[in-house]
Amino acid sequence: DVKVTQSSRYLVKRTGEKVFLECVQDMDHENMFWYRQDPGLGLRLIYFSYDVKMKEKGDIPEGYSVSREKKERFSLILESASTNQTSMYLCASRASSGGVNEQFFGPGTRLTVL
Amino acid sequence: GESVGLHLPTLSVQEGDNSIINCAYSNSASDYFIWYKQESGKGPQFIIDIRSNMDKRQGQRVTVLLNKTVKHLSLQIAATQPGDSAVYFCAEDRDNYGQNFVFGPGTRLSVLP
Repeated sequence: DVKVTQSSRYLVKRTGEKVFLECVQDMDHENMFWYRQDPGLGLRLIYFSYDVKMKEKGDIPEGYSVSREKKERFSLILESASTNQTSMYLCASRASSGGVNEQFFGPGTRLTVL
Repeated sequence: GESVGLHLPTLSVQEGDNSIINCAYSNSASDYFIWYKQESGKGPQFIIDIRSNMDKRQGQRVTVLLNKTVKHLSLQIAATQPGDSAVYFCAEDRDNYGQNFVFGPGTRLSVLP
């Protein structure tokens, strides 16, 4: 059974703090993604990675960075958290081969920045 | 800019009835589309996909229709059940490489007893 796990379901941080959101997949997928989900806006792509140490900006990368040191792990970093980064964060992974474009999602991390 | 949107933010249907959820997309060059279901407290889950060389694709109780002329996508759920209550998203593969999807805002489906 495929699985994408995220380190926390709920997180509360203060403005200016550095925040790490961790995502791990056990499917040996090459591609991993970070989205944020806000009411009425759907999912918006922050960053994605197609290989270890590789990363590409998505639609809203400002205020975020990512790290992919190992194939199974993709971290999202908020260098200095701000209140407008309060959101649900979803991680996903996808295989590169096989003609399947399905992304498998984790359960999400609800981040509140005070 | 290019975007994927939904016509209705909420939909209520009677248990046993059929549900139709709509989606409009703007990039006529997009080749691949996915419907996702997101239950409360969970991440989105793949339901069904379709490529632009098809007009219709059927799964178990679900059918996706693609109208490329008007850039419209719909998800039909037959005999809607309480377990179908969720938010449904359509997603468009912007670059046709499976890396860069744009998601619609979602439609919340409520199934009434």
